[in-house]
Amino acid sequence: DAGVIQSPRHEVTEMGQEVTLRCKPISGHDYLFWYRQTMMRGLELLIYFNNNVPIDDSGMPEDRFSAKMPNASFSTLKIQPSEPRDSAVYFCASSGGGHQPQHFGDGTRLSIL
Amino acid sequence: AQTVTQSQPEMSVQEAETVTLSCTYDTSESNYYLFWYKQPPSRQMILVIRQEAYKQQNATENRFSVNFQKAAKSFSLKISDSQLGDTAMYFCARETSGSRLTFGEGTQLTVNP
Repeated sequence: DAGVIQSPRHEVTEMGQEVTLRCKPISGHDYLFWYRQTMMRGLELLIYFNNNVPIDDSGMPEDRFSAKMPNASFSTLKIQPSEPRDSAVYFCASSGGGHQPQHFGDGTRLSIL
Repeated sequence: AQTVTQSQPEMSVQEAETVTLSCTYDTSESNYYLFWYKQPPSRQMILVIRQEAYKQQNATENRFSVNFQKAAKSFSLKISDSQLGDTAMYFCARETSGSRLTFGEGTQLTVNP
């Protein structure tokens, strides 16, 4: 079975540019999560979806961040405009709910210059 | 705030020996799930083991086992017969409402030859 697929694996861009991170969850999983990992703050939940509907976006740092899930097999996390402090590894994870473990993608390492 | 605490930022162990990683958590729920994930240098997040709070029996997965002390809110991970491939960052996590995970700060484990 294919796992959670994230793209791109690495992204380097200039401050002020728009960044779009993509995620394909495991087929059949109803929950999708976006996390950010930094040395200073560890792993933080940004937002999660259930059946394509955003349930909790309280972890989204500010209005520059937005996430969508137009269908069950695709989600995006967008940063516009990007800033150097957004540099981090961004993970997408999915689960079947019901206390099932979350399965993580390989992450996107984002560097904002 | 309902937190997860890993008090050992770094640990090391000799190959073939046993090591225990500590984790404590806070919760007001009666039933919940706890997880250990490992993150090797490749940065993948890999599920190691899962424990349901309602089950008194400690979970075991091959060389990995937990010591779950519900009253003390403690959830330690024991790795037996440590292997070089066990070198990784280990994260303890507690599932909160809506299938979200709250992660600890992580423990960097190094297995020495």
